[in-house]
Amino acid sequence: LAKTTQPISMDSYEGQEVNITCSHNNIATNDYITWYQQFPSQGPRFIIQGYKTKVTNEVASLFIPADRKSSTLSLPRVSLSDTAVYYCLVGDVGGNKLVFGAGTILRVKS
Amino acid sequence: KAGVTQTPRYLIKTRGQQVTLSCSPISGHRSVSWYQQTPGQGLQFLFEYFSETQRNKGNFPGRFSGRQFSNSRSEMNVSTLELGDSALYLCASSIQESYNEQFFGPGTRLTVL
Repeated sequence: LAKTTQPISMDSYEGQEVNITCSHNNIATNDYITWYQQFPSQGPRFIIQGYKTKVTNEVASLFIPADRKSSTLSLPRVSLSDTAVYYCLVGDVGGNKLVFGAGTILRVKS
Repeated sequence: KAGVTQTPRYLIKTRGQQVTLSCSPISGHRSVSWYQQTPGQGLQFLFEYFSETQRNKGNFPGRFSGRQFSNSRSEMNVSTLELGDSALYLCASSIQESYNEQFFGPGTRLTVL
């Protein structure tokens, strides 16, 4: 399973776009990239998953360059309720063994 | 559709005791995974069950065990509790065995005194 590296924390203001980058130099061919969000005392919540190029859903976009050694989660126009820990995970199909890193603490200020 | 439910939500035990935690996955989900979350170690994978069979196991001692029933409900058991077992235990379910979106429950907060 590929190891991931993310910034420990980030600060932003309401209404801004936030980009969180994750490094995964040893990503394997079968690995997908998945992001989860976790609020205090709650279980993580799936945000988005991708394999290459760009994926967009109603809450976020995920940008993956051609070499797939990094990925960027983009949160448009964040609000105070987006204050949470964001985890980048890399794993292959065929198993539900999620390996969580330390995550990025995002603090959104008014 | 109801989400993943875990019982109990809070539990206090003493060292040496054993504990059983329960997880009911989302209806139709066949895979159940368990995770331990502590401030020091973060979120760590314990094990995964699919169709009553353990498919993956994390690096935890044999005191940690689990099982899955035919209705996909799962239990995990920790025997001979240690102070370091105090943690939030999270259960997650997914539809099938491939690396799909996992839905997490609210967790069981275990405190070992």
